[in-house]
Amino acid sequence: EPEVTQTPSHQVTQMGQEVILRCVPISNHLYFYWYRQILGQKVEFLVSFYNNEISEKSEIFDDQFSVERPDGSNFTLKIRSTKLEDSAMYFCASSGDGAVNEQFFGPGTRLTVL
Amino acid sequence: AQSVTQPDIHITVSEGASLELRCNYSYGATPYLFWYVQSPGQGLQLLLKYFSGDTLVQGIKGFEAEFKRSQSSFNLRKPSVHWSDAAEYFCAVGARNAGNMLTFGGGTRLMVKP
Repeated sequence: EPEVTQTPSHQVTQMGQEVILRCVPISNHLYFYWYRQILGQKVEFLVSFYNNEISEKSEIFDDQFSVERPDGSNFTLKIRSTKLEDSAMYFCASSGDGAVNEQFFGPGTRLTVL
Repeated sequence: AQSVTQPDIHITVSEGASLELRCNYSYGATPYLFWYVQSPGQGLQLLLKYFSGDTLVQGIKGFEAEFKRSQSSFNLRKPSVHWSDAAEYFCAVGARNAGNMLTFGGGTRLMVKP
């Protein structure tokens, strides 16, 4: 069964460093998303992406964040200068049919900022 | 603004007992509702969804949920819980079309006693 994959599973970085989290969505899907879950808190929406453009973004998704689909398979989330409060689990999701908002999630990347 | 409330942070049930997890939502338009399950170290797996039609929806692993518009609720049920159901359960609400954010509740952690 097709699934969303994410790498790495765990990333440790120093405050102020740039990180890139990678996702491979399900191959025929057209809509891509990033969410995050700070330990003990809710899953929060960051951004959605379609046709090489951001469709929607939350207040969390400020200028420190960017997303890109560099090739036909990968979907990345970049944090330019990490802060301690960026420590969280980051989930990638994808959905295929534009008429149905059924999102399939990856296993997540745990980001730890020291 | 849309929101989801899961009033129970933790629930413990005995194996074989019935289960009901509560979810209340606030949404300005026709809500599209989802239940996801997250096992430790895993991503979010879709259990079931409600888009329209029959208000009682069946999902995977023997779960069902009932949409009650008058109560703004979408409670998850299972008649007989198995030890493998121990996990965290998230209710979410969103717009119908892909590309739109999902708003998640805070989650309910289910523990199953032998």
